[in-house]
Amino acid sequence: GNSVTQMEGPVTLSEEAFLTINCTYTATGYPSLFWYVQYPGEGLQLLLKATKADDKGSNKGFEATYRKETTSFHLEKGSVQVSDSAVYFCALSDKAGANNLFFGTGTRLTVIP
Amino acid sequence: DAMVIQNPRYQVTQFGKPVTLSCSQTLNHNVMYWYQQKSSQAPKLLFHYYDKDFNNEADTPDNFQSRRPNTSFCFLDIRSPGLGDAAMYLCATSREGQAREQYFGPGTRLTVT
Repeated sequence: GNSVTQMEGPVTLSEEAFLTINCTYTATGYPSLFWYVQYPGEGLQLLLKATKADDKGSNKGFEATYRKETTSFHLEKGSVQVSDSAVYFCALSDKAGANNLFFGTGTRLTVIP
Repeated sequence: DAMVIQNPRYQVTQFGKPVTLSCSQTLNHNVMYWYQQKSSQAPKLLFHYYDKDFNNEADTPDNFQSRRPNTSFCFLDIRSPGLGDAAMYLCATSREGQAREQYFGPGTRLTVT
């Protein structure tokens, strides 16, 4: 079956610190991988994605590399800002049709000045 | 701007009183999804429409129904809300295809009294 395991939070960092949020997956096929971000009181927004092995997704200073050998898609950012405080969800999709997403449990990040 | 709109943003209903949540989109996407998200949890897919075809998740309670009268609108009906149905309900859309991202609305927070 399909599943996503995310690093448990909450994570609290000082501004300009390095961020890593771990994500590993189990899938029956060849999934696409996503990171979504949810700011307080809002819906989810796509942060970045990768569709095949060794692809690197990047956006707003965040990066994640699709590692098939370790079934991982860890999220990194070199220097976090207070505005990055949010909940981050790793997700996978392996259906060619309706694109169902399987989410991890989410990791809450708080960045303090 | 093209977007996914959910109304209302906050909904209060009484135990056992039917309630309908609304979602509309201007993206002209053929797939629409409804998720339930409880506090500090990942979104859980309830069902989706692939064009007019309704696809129910196996563990979605019968209490939850959906209608999609046209491409732009999709409704979530909760026939007899229980206290355990209090949650954020997220609507999302996508085009078909495995790597297609989902676009989420801001959500409707449902309170059951």
